[in-house]
Amino acid sequence: DQQVKQNSPSLSVQEGRISILNCDYTNSMFDYFLWYKKYPAEGPTFLISISSIKDKNEDGRFTVFLNKSAKHLSLHIVPSQPGDSAVYFCAVRAGGGNKLTFGTGTQLKVEL
Amino acid sequence: DGGITQSPKYLFRKEGQNVTLSCEQNLNHDAMYWYRQDPGQGLRLIYYSQIVNDFQKGDIAEGYSVSREKKESFPLTVTSAQKNPTAFYLCASKGRESEKLFFGSGTQLSVL
Repeated sequence: DQQVKQNSPSLSVQEGRISILNCDYTNSMFDYFLWYKKYPAEGPTFLISISSIKDKNEDGRFTVFLNKSAKHLSLHIVPSQPGDSAVYFCAVRAGGGNKLTFGTGTQLKVEL
Repeated sequence: DGGITQSPKYLFRKEGQNVTLSCEQNLNHDAMYWYRQDPGQGLRLIYYSQIVNDFQKGDIAEGYSVSREKKESFPLTVTSAQKNPTAFYLCASKGRESEKLFFGSGTQLSVL
């Protein structure tokens, strides 16, 4: 039973436009949310995070939005660049826990 | 430079053989984790350790074993009981002051 879902396995966006990646979760006890970026044959690298007491967090071109009532998380990348092409994973932490549960990932392709 | 080192990068297992994947970190992190990535799937937690000489099963621990004799090291053994071991294995660590996991570069395990 998947607690964290990324329903779009892939997304294609033109360079300069906005990329929106989505993540849905089922457990209202999740209190911390993260996005990771992964290139093939490499480990994921941390991008941005948000705690459940906030609904938005920005870091440069990356913004994460949290809608707790809908149990929905999204990552906005603007403007998108070719180097953003990678697999993006959302990850969630249950309250007070020490482990992360990851979604299935979305392959983003930014085209010239 | 501080970081997480996984070795080897590629590993081949013969049927009935146990193999051990190495993970070393010099970040002085207390918690360490092993995840497995299969094509089209997210990262699934195998085992994690929050402190030396202690570890807990994750979501898919069957066929795997770990040890945590030193803070810096968290080796994973893939036993012959793991019937589908071909995957990309990722080790991660986390400090007390952060919710972020830091990942190694991964080990690709294949069956001969």
